[in-house]
Amino acid sequence: QVQLQESGPGLVKPSETLSLTCTVSADSITSSYYYWAWIRQTPGKGLEWIGSIYYSGSAYRNPSLESRLTISVDTSKNQFSLKLTSVTAADTAVYYCAREGTKEHDLDHWGQGTLVTVSS
Amino acid sequence: DIQMTQSPSSLSASIGDRVTVTCRASQTINSFLNWYQQKPGKAPKLLIYAASTLQSGVPSRFTGSGSGTDYTLTISSLQPEDFATYYCQQSFRTPRTFGQGTKVEIK
Repeated sequence: QVQLQESGPGLVKPSETLSLTCTVSADSITSSYYYWAWIRQTPGKGLEWIGSIYYSGSAYRNPSLESRLTISVDTSKNQFSLKLTSVTAADTAVYYCAREGTKEHDLDHWGQGTLVTVSS
Repeated sequence: DIQMTQSPSSLSASIGDRVTVTCRASQTINSFLNWYQQKPGKAPKLLIYAASTLQSGVPSRFTGSGSGTDYTLTISSLQPEDFATYYCQQSFRTPRTFGQGTKVEIK
């Protein structure tokens, strides 16, 4: 059973960079059947798809975040990562990583989520 | 972006009730529609993908239907463990977008 685990700081200062890593276990991130996605959730905006990446490095990004967003993959560590620059309080959210099928683009396995708070 | 509108936002129901949640897309999404269940403090869980395909391990009381812009999630006989918030998501175009959620509460 594939497992995903988010890791990274729970507190980030305004204008700094939010960095998270998702470690995948019991599956290979180089599988041709999946993308690897980031989603965030806030009480106000609900669930927001951030973007997803294929093991080759090909990525889709939400245009609303694209200018501040980097998604990368490290196949040697079976991990993928998120960097969001110039954060504000509006970026405070629970961040999830998930596995996304390449055919239906459904999110079939999720990490437990990690709360990131943007505050000085 | 494709806007996803769920209705109702919340509902109260009793054990054994038949429950229906509706999701409408702002444009056709060709059945690229997924349903998720989320319980407090937990990650969403995939229930149905491609509008009507039940995810492995999900009870058969959950069914999905629809086409074009209009989709429905039905719980045939509500069980205690089904009290949760349900979200639809379109996966036809990026950015993938979610509905605002439907909270199913105990009557």
